[in-house]
Formats: sequence, C-alpha cells, structure tokens
Amino acid sequence: QITLKESGPTLVKPTQTLTLTCTFSGFSLSARGVGVGWIRQPPGKALEWLALIYWDDDKRYSPSLKSRLTITKDTSKNQVVLTMTNMDPVDTATYYCAHSVGFGELFFDYWGQGTVVTVSS
Amino acid sequence: SYVLTQPPSLSVAPGETARITCGGDKIGSKSVHWYHQKPGQAPVLVIYSDSDRPSGIPERFSGSNSGNTATLTISRVEAGDEADYYCQVWDSRATVFGGGTKLTVL
Repeated sequence: QITLKESGPTLVKPTQTLTLTCTFSGFSLSARGVGVGWIRQPPGKALEWLALIYWDDDKRYSPSLKSRLTITKDTSKNQVVLTMTNMDPVDTATYYCAHSVGFGELFFDYWGQGTVVTVSS
Repeated sequence: SYVLTQPPSLSVAPGETARITCGGDKIGSKSVHWYHQKPGQAPVLVIYSDSDRPSGIPERFSGSNSGNTATLTISRVEAGDEADYYCQVWDSRATVFGGGTKLTVL
C-alpha cells in the first residue's frame, strides 16, 4: 500500500525559505522508474506542478520556478525534500507530493493529503 | 511553455454524458492524463496515457486524444462525479496541468 504524507511549516514570512518533507511508504525511490513530485494549489485555483525527482536522482523543475526550487531525496529515510526560497504571499497554497512510476510521460497515481502553507508577515 | 486549455465549467444532468475537453498544440502527439478532485481532497487519477483506467475507476470513465484536443468522457453521470477535473501532459522536461473544469451535476 503506497502512502505519502507532507509535512512542514503552516506559516512562513515573506522572503523566508520554505522546506517541505514528503515521507512515504509502500515503495522505494531507488527502484527503477519511480519518481516523486511536488504539486501545489493556491486557494480556489488550479494545480501547478513544481518539481519531480527520479530514482536515479534526475531532477525536473517547473521552468517558471526553477531558480527558487531544490528537490532532494533521502532513500534511506523514504523522504523527499522540497525547498523554495524567497517566499511571497502568492505562494500561499496547499502543497502535495505524489508518486509516479514508469518511463516517459509520467502520471501521478498516488497523492499525499496535502499541507497548507500560508505566507504572511 | 506549453499551455493546456479547459472550459472552466460544465453542467450535465444525471444519466447524461459529460465530455470535458483539454486543448493544446498538437496534444494528440502527447500522452494525456486526467484527474478529478473533490472539495478538500487530493486529486485522484482517473485516466492515464490518453485512455487507460487505473484499477478502481469505473468503466464509465474513458478518454481520447487526437489533433489539438483530448477528451475525458463520463457516461451515465452520477451525483458523485461532481468535481474539478484536470488534464496533464509533459512537454520537454516539464509537466503542466490544465486550468481545470468544474463539473456540476444538475
């Protein structure tokens, strides 16, 4: 059974760096073809993909946010960490991590419950 | 960057067929995935690779993709299908989601 859970601060101040952790179970991020991605959703708005890390440590980033994002994995802890620098109120959103598997045009078949992050002074 | 266009809303009566479109340049050459999301919940994959259904998704859900439009079709719509629906594709090294379609069951 695959599960993912996001954790991190619920409130950050503008200009601060956000660090979110995705802790998962039921799969290994060292298995060929596996990936974990981060997706966010501002209140009342659409989903926005942020980043994805593959089993082989290949990393993909949203072009519009690439300069602010870093994604890493700790296979031994079954965790993926996303950092986002220079937070702004427009970054207020629910942040999800999700599992993907396969090669090529991946989809997200298991999602965490999401964690709400508010950016405010 | 690649843009996916979805109608903001669609209303259908129970028992009818809902067709939710996702437009993009030559989207027929890409693999399209679909999710639904109910209020306060995480998205759920309903169709992957244009027309494949994950286990547990009813056969009422189907997908097609050709030219510049991909379509998610929900047959015999039920009240429980009311949700936001999002399409997703990969373009180069990035993936994008459509703006979402709110399906209302009358």
